[in-house]
Amino acid sequence: EVQVVESGGGLVQPGRSLRLSCTASGFTFGDYGMSWVRQAPGKGLEWVGFIRSKAYGGTTEYAASVKGRFTISRDDSKSIAYLQMNSLKIEDTAVYYCTRKGRDGYNLVLRHFDLWGRGTLVTVSS
Amino acid sequence: QTVVTQEPSFSVSPGGTVTLTCGLSSGSVSTSYYPSWYQLTPGQAPRTLIYSTNTRSSGVPDRFSGSILGNKAALTITGAQADDESDYYCVLYMGSGIWVFGGGTKLTVL
Repeated sequence: EVQVVESGGGLVQPGRSLRLSCTASGFTFGDYGMSWVRQAPGKGLEWVGFIRSKAYGGTTEYAASVKGRFTISRDDSKSIAYLQMNSLKIEDTAVYYCTRKGRDGYNLVLRHFDLWGRGTLVTVSS
Repeated sequence: QTVVTQEPSFSVSPGGTVTLTCGLSSGSVSTSYYPSWYQLTPGQAPRTLIYSTNTRSSGVPDRFSGSILGNKAALTITGAQADDESDYYCVLYMGSGIWVFGGGTKLTVL
């Protein structure tokens, strides 16, 4: 089955760190860019960041709200994407979703998220 | 800062047609933003409905359609059903690997 599953959420104090994992299965993980998206309680979806596939340099981009605090990485040998969250703030409390970016093809440019996990809850509180 | 706008809420009668929109606080939405739409139901993984403005994702019924209407992207649901009651989000691609979501529309079917 083609899926991504998030893990690593939990309760953490402000200022501390937490690392989320996104484990992929059923597809060639290394061929795809991956993103993290979050939803704070009672709020809408917020794009957090993106990591390109190695074919496109494996580089990363971040939303302004997390830039400098969050880092996305990937281990293609394990089919896992990570979200390292440092200096956590109360406003980082959210369900964090892992998403797969649609894969570009010949004469095909895709800029959407075609596969989602169920999310993992991160609660930042003292 | 780019703000993507959506109607906070909308209501439609069963069997009716509703069009949700996705705009920009400054400027017009075009196909160059690759607008896509997602359905978010509590307890479930988000579901991709429409991508690249008007392409239905696999398995999405044809009562869902996407377009550009004027200066906005639009999601139209024709023949609304009770289980279409959900939150709907658009997202626009800003270039350079950056996306911005709209605030979402809560759709009520009654």
